Amino acid sequence: GENVEQHPSTLSVQEGDSAVIKCTYSDSASNYFPWYKQELGKRPQLIIDIRSNVGEKKDQRIAVTLNKTAKHFSLHITETQPEDSAVYFCAASIDSGAGSYQLTFGKGTKLSVIP
Amino acid sequence: DAGITQSPRHKVTETGTPVTLRCHQTENHRYMYWYRQDPGHGLRLIHYSYGVKDTDKGEVSDGYSVSRSKTEDFLLTLESATSSQTSVYFCAISKAGTSGSYEQYFGPGTRLTVT
Repeated sequence: GENVEQHPSTLSVQEGDSAVIKCTYSDSASNYFPWYKQELGKRPQLIIDIRSNVGEKKDQRIAVTLNKTAKHFSLHITETQPEDSAVYFCAASIDSGAGSYQLTFGKGTKLSVIP
Repeated sequence: DAGITQSPRHKVTETGTPVTLRCHQTENHRYMYWYRQDPGHGLRLIHYSYGVKDTDKGEVSDGYSVSRSKTEDFLLTLESATSSQTSVYFCAISKAGTSGSYEQYFGPGTRLTVT
């Protein structure tokens, strides 16, 4: 089955700096890679995703890159703000397009943005 | 919140007792999932459903069973609860996003403690 490794497990940055979280996956058939943000005591919330037919996707201060050859993908947050402090999870799956797919998650990165 | 509710939100039970958690959705989504979240493990898939009476096992299904007799309800049962099943349980649904591709959205979670 799929295995997703996520690094680092904790990350502290100064407000305004950039943060990068990296994930690797094992199954070359995986083609869908979402990122979730989870604040303390809350549900995971989808913040951005990328599919294997693109190499990069951006949404305001958040971007995700995908290297299919190396089987790794990364989350980039620019101009970090205190409200970016949370646990971030990457995930991978094989999405056939029919609507059902099983996500395999990394173990999470706790991001702290220091004002 | 994709119209997902979970009940109960918190439960404390004793080892050996049966426990049923309920996930209810109001938007008629076909695909539903149960995950557990534990420190150091991220989120792991327990069971999932393709529709009424159509379910399958995930990565960590031992000790759990599920049922889906109606589209809107997906039940997770711990036949005989053990302390290792102390966890936060999240239900999720697949829903078409703005791009037309399916995305998973999570319910608010149930915190289960087995003493």
